[in-house]
Amino acid sequence: DQQVKQNSPSLSVQEGRISILNCDYTNSMFDYFLWYKKYPAEGPTFLISISSIKDKNEDGRFTVFLNKSAKHLSLHIVPSQPGDSAVYFCAASGYFGNEKLTFGTGTRLTIIP
Amino acid sequence: DAGVIQSPRHEVTEMGQEVTLRCKPISGHNSLFWYRQTMMRGLELLIYFNNNVPIDDSGMPEDRFSAKMPNASFSTLKIQPSEPRDSAVYFCASSFVTGANSPLHFGNGTRLTVT
Repeated sequence: DQQVKQNSPSLSVQEGRISILNCDYTNSMFDYFLWYKKYPAEGPTFLISISSIKDKNEDGRFTVFLNKSAKHLSLHIVPSQPGDSAVYFCAASGYFGNEKLTFGTGTRLTIIP
Repeated sequence: DAGVIQSPRHEVTEMGQEVTLRCKPISGHNSLFWYRQTMMRGLELLIYFNNNVPIDDSGMPEDRFSAKMPNASFSTLKIQPSEPRDSAVYFCASSFVTGANSPLHFGNGTRLTVT
């Protein structure tokens, strides 16, 4: 049973436009959420996080939005750049920390020049 | 500053053989995690250690899988005997868990193919 779901396996976006990646979760005990980015043949790298006490966190071109009532979070990338082409994983934790992260299956983002 | 180091990068073995994956975490980190990545299930946590002690191994799929952390700078994940369904990319990650945000740092993974 997937507790963290990324329903779009892939997404293509024109360079300069906004990329929106979505993630849904089912476990109401999750209260800390992260996005990781992964290039081929490399391990995932941390991108941005948000705790359940917030509904938005911004870091440069990257913004994560959290809708607790809908159990939904999204990652916005504006403007999208070719280097953003990667697989993005959504992850969730049961308390404010990083132990026992539950990951989604990932979304492959392709930025079209 | 060296990151998490995993070896080997690729492993091809025959069904029934023993496989040992190795990991060197980032110096100073006190938690170590083993994940497995498959297309169907994404990244699954297999086991994690805190201060070299296994805390949760509920993700280990079967008794064929075992993991050890004999000291703060080394961990192994062993599969014996290996089966074709074990084919996946195995990641090791480490972090310094203080109760506050501390992102996981992943190694580049070991791609295991069992024929």
